[in-house]
Amino acid sequence: AQKITQTQPGMFVQEKEAVTLDCTYDTSDQSYGLFWYKQPSSGEMIFLIYQGSYDEQNATEGRYSLNFQKARKSANLVISASQLGDSAMYFCAMREGRIQGAQKLVFGQGTRLTINP
Amino acid sequence: ETGVTQTPRHLVMGMTNKKSLKCEQHLGHNAMYWYKQSAKKPLELMFVYNFKEQTENNSVPSRFSPECPNSSHLFLHLHTLQPEDSALYLCASSQGPKGNEQYFGPGTRLTVT
Repeated sequence: AQKITQTQPGMFVQEKEAVTLDCTYDTSDQSYGLFWYKQPSSGEMIFLIYQGSYDEQNATEGRYSLNFQKARKSANLVISASQLGDSAMYFCAMREGRIQGAQKLVFGQGTRLTINP
Repeated sequence: ETGVTQTPRHLVMGMTNKKSLKCEQHLGHNAMYWYKQSAKKPLELMFVYNFKEQTENNSVPSRFSPECPNSSHLFLHLHTLQPEDSALYLCASSQGPKGNEQYFGPGTRLTVT
């Protein structure tokens, strides 16, 4: 069963508009973490934002915020005032627990975001 | 963040070749990871090392052989690969128990001919 679901293969948004990228997850763990990464065409995965399962406040990092709805098991990424440089693949990921101090991340299929001028 | 480097960035190899991918992290992290990213598939975790000890092998074929001589360096030795092994191979590191995010390198684009 897919643990991370990103239902939007591609999105097109006008520059300066806000955009929401969807992510739903499936886990029976009480303690888990949710991440969003950005992958430009260069290939490098860039960490954007993190939300812990026990965090009561939604995480925010500059123009990025994570809309965490625990009961619905959703962790949508909101990008405010989009910029041309935001065009990239975006991946939602979940930490399934720790392996002797390391992490095991499960990634979704990704959403390709294109910002139009 | 450019704390994780990978070489080479691009590699073309035949099915009978032997090659190695190298990853180095300059962040003082304890854990290192190899991921495979194929077209139209989610990122797949291959191997996890924590303090040089392999803690996860995600059912990876033996033609992929990891090596972690110290906490800063990670290698992926390749031999007798198949065309379906062509992919972007990403290395990452994390702080361990106190760290949350993983920091990724730029990846090696591998093509098996």
